[in-house]
Amino acid sequence: GAVVSQHPSWVICKSGTSVKIECRSLDFQATTMFWYRQFPKQSLMLMATSNEGSKATYEQGVEKDKFLINHASLTLSTLTVTSAHPEDSSFYICSARRQGLNTEAFFGQGTRLTVV
Amino acid sequence: ILNVEQSPQSLHVQEGDSTNFTCSFPSSNFYALHWYRWETAKSPEALFVMTLNGDEKKKGRISATLNTKEGYSYLYIKGSQPEDSATYLCAPDQTGANNLFFGTGTRLTVIP
Repeated sequence: GAVVSQHPSWVICKSGTSVKIECRSLDFQATTMFWYRQFPKQSLMLMATSNEGSKATYEQGVEKDKFLINHASLTLSTLTVTSAHPEDSSFYICSARRQGLNTEAFFGQGTRLTVV
Repeated sequence: ILNVEQSPQSLHVQEGDSTNFTCSFPSSNFYALHWYRWETAKSPEALFVMTLNGDEKKKGRISATLNTKEGYSYLYIKGSQPEDSATYLCAPDQTGANNLFFGTGTRLTVIP
């Protein structure tokens, strides 16, 4: 299967600082990338969908100025949590899809963010 | 946001037992249904992508069926093994929508 690399796998940052999380498709071109957040004991909540070269589509309730998503190339998407606060502490995971019909999504390893 | 429900939320079975669980999704604008397995400390991995009503897919001891008219899919595991312990997630693709919403998941624990 295709490989998606997400970095970092964990990060601790101070309240008020920004954190960037990278999601790379290593061996395929990802026309679409998804960013999810997992709250404790819950499933994956879709935050936004990004397509290469265009603005991300954010889901209801997700602040676009807080969670900046950039998909500048067919192999890289980034999520920047700006001015992080303790309530942003969570598990964030990305997935990527090739262009085409019925394509499966390949997931990164996820990032555990702790804001202190 | 798409309403995708999975049941049961969690399940404990003995090794060797067969089991099944359900994914319910809106049948309107249906395009495809994905099943993923998410093992602890790993990334979710795709099991199946299904598109046709009445379709059945199989991978080893795991199989899935799809009913697009009524909006549900079943995942079956025959002769469960401890390595089947994972959270199983489903996600429907809708026509014209470029997003992938996951259900609540079914957490399966197979007891040796």
